[in-house]
Amino acid sequence: EVHLVESGGGLVKPGGSLRLSCAASGFIFSRYNMNWVRQVPGRGLEWVSSIDPSGRSIYYVDSVKGRFTISRDNANNSVFLQMNSLRAEDTAIYYCTRDVHYYDTDGYYWGQGTLVTVSS
Amino acid sequence: IQLTQSPSFLSASVGDRVTISCRASQDITTYLVWYQQKPGKAPELLIYAASTLQSGVPSRFSGSGSGTEFTLTISSLQPEDVATYYCQQLNSFPPYTFGQGTKLEIK
Repeated sequence: EVHLVESGGGLVKPGGSLRLSCAASGFIFSRYNMNWVRQVPGRGLEWVSSIDPSGRSIYYVDSVKGRFTISRDNANNSVFLQMNSLRAEDTAIYYCTRDVHYYDTDGYYWGQGTLVTVSS
Repeated sequence: IQLTQSPSFLSASVGDRVTISCRASQDITTYLVWYQQKPGKAPELLIYAASTLQSGVPSRFSGSGSGTEFTLTISSLQPEDVATYYCQQLNSFPPYTFGQGTKLEIK
């Protein structure tokens, strides 16, 4: 069974940094694309970033480019999101997700999410 | 690529046939998925490749469409289907945008 557990969320001041972690289990981690998706509580979903199995192909939504960095550790079945220069509009629940299939982009399995609050 | 869902809010009775639409701003062939999100929970995948039912999802859910027009149908609405439904396009390279969501309630 796919199991994704996020951690590292919390309250941070504008301009501050936070590092989210996602511990994966129940599957061969090194075969799958991993992603981060966020959701302002009570609002819609926004894709944030994706990383391929090798860690060499990485993508970001425009609003976080230059501020967020996605990475992965295949030896320890983990994916990370380093968030710098945080803004109030980055406040959201951040979900770690895994592509359902390793061979195509067919949607995601989701973790339970971790809340990031950017406020002074 | 922008996705526009309609309606934004839907109220229907148990047993009703319910249809939610998702329109893409450009051709995404069949790279369209549907999620169900219940209050306080993470989304769950219902449909991928526009019309393929994810394992374990009840057969009353179905998806159709290709190109720019897509539909999620619940053939007979059940009380446990109260949720917000999102479409997402996964065509080509990111960003993999979501629709704005459709909130479904029981009358």
